[in-house]
Amino acid sequence: ELKVEQNPLFLSMQEGKNYTIYCNYSTTSDRLYWYRQDPGKSLESLFVLLSNGAVKQEGRLMASLDTKARLSTLHITAAVHDLSATYFCAVDPNMEYGNKLVFGAGTILRVKS
Amino acid sequence: NAGVTQTPKFQVLKTGQSMTLQCAQDMNHNSMYWYRQDPGMGLRLIYYSASEGTTDKGEVPNGYNVSRLNKREFSLRLESAAPSQTSVYFCASRKGRSYGYTFGSGTRLTVV
Repeated sequence: ELKVEQNPLFLSMQEGKNYTIYCNYSTTSDRLYWYRQDPGKSLESLFVLLSNGAVKQEGRLMASLDTKARLSTLHITAAVHDLSATYFCAVDPNMEYGNKLVFGAGTILRVKS
Repeated sequence: NAGVTQTPKFQVLKTGQSMTLQCAQDMNHNSMYWYRQDPGMGLRLIYYSASEGTTDKGEVPNGYNVSRLNKREFSLRLESAAPSQTSVYFCASRKGRSYGYTFGSGTRLTVV
């Protein structure tokens, strides 16, 4: 069974601090996606990582993919309150699993001022 | 560009009633998906359609049926609603492999 594990599941951090969210998965894949969800809203795409060593950055968020370790990270630099949301990673596994993404459980991020 | 449109946005049903959730995308995407989201459970796949004319079960298909009406539309039907189906339902579409999902705004369903 394909598993996608995020940790931590809940993260409370102070403004200005740095932290990393981890996404581990149990099958070979070189395609991974990060999404953000605000309370009561839908999911919006943050990053698309399509190869080993891929790194994408936008603002205070940076995502990377290590396909050999089956690990993606979402690094938050100098957090601000506006980053408070739930963050999901999703793995695009091989075709044997069908044409669908498998999501992690999500990390709830709360940034305190 | 509307993207993925879901209707209705909110619905309250009585146990045993039926209803259909509608989803339409205008991006010419091949694949479409229905997920449910419950507190602490993340996103769980109900059904998906990899291409027009095909549908497959996901993780939690029991109590649901789907129809891929054409390339644009993918509906989800609850034949006899149960309180356990109280959830937020998201439709998503995807151009193909190596592309992420575009999500609709969601339908908040309560079954009493």
